[in-house]
Amino acid sequence: GEDVEQSLFLSVREGDSSVINCTYTDSSSTYLYWYKQEPGAGLQLLTYIFSNMDMKQDQRLTVLLNKKDKHLSLRIADTQTGDSAIYFCAESGFGSGNTGKLIFGQGTTLQVKP
Amino acid sequence: DVKVTQSSRYLVKRTGEKVFLECVQDMDHENMFWYRQDPGLGLRLIYFSYDVKMKEKGDIPEGYSVSREKKERFSLILESASTNQTSMYLCASSLGTGTTEAFFGQGTRLTVV
Repeated sequence: GEDVEQSLFLSVREGDSSVINCTYTDSSSTYLYWYKQEPGAGLQLLTYIFSNMDMKQDQRLTVLLNKKDKHLSLRIADTQTGDSAIYFCAESGFGSGNTGKLIFGQGTTLQVKP
Repeated sequence: DVKVTQSSRYLVKRTGEKVFLECVQDMDHENMFWYRQDPGLGLRLIYFSYDVKMKEKGDIPEGYSVSREKKERFSLILESASTNQTSMYLCASSLGTGTTEAFFGQGTRLTVV
């Protein structure tokens, strides 16, 4: 079945770049997403990429997609302490019909040290 | 401002109780979802609904049921709560077409004792 894998933890220093990686199995996914979860809160969409794109940039965020290897990455430039959170990769698992079902990875906890 | 509201932030229930978790969205979305979040496991889909009175099982439906009588409301029911259902429960909604961006509620932390 569909599966999304992420490493569980990443620690960086403030001002450095962070790179969070994700692999997925469903090659039919139309969209791939990055969500952010701050402590005690629900998930918030950070950015998404359409499957026919290789890269998308949005201010400090850069998403890279390697369809051949089914690998997705999120780069955060100039990481700040406010970026400390759990980051989830997700793919749209369409199955039968366009139900918009999302399959999530385990989440990567980003720790930013001052 | 888009909103998905879950009725409780924290709940403590006893083993064997019937538990209702309520979720309401004000965006006229077709799709609604219930996920369970556990450390190291990410979000796992319990049930989802793509229309009123329609429902489909997700990856871990055992021990749960759902109800969607109105478009804006999606309820998760634990028929007989057990300690292994202690978890964070997240509700989400999305449009039926397009990017399928999902909007999430704040979550309900359920403890079954």
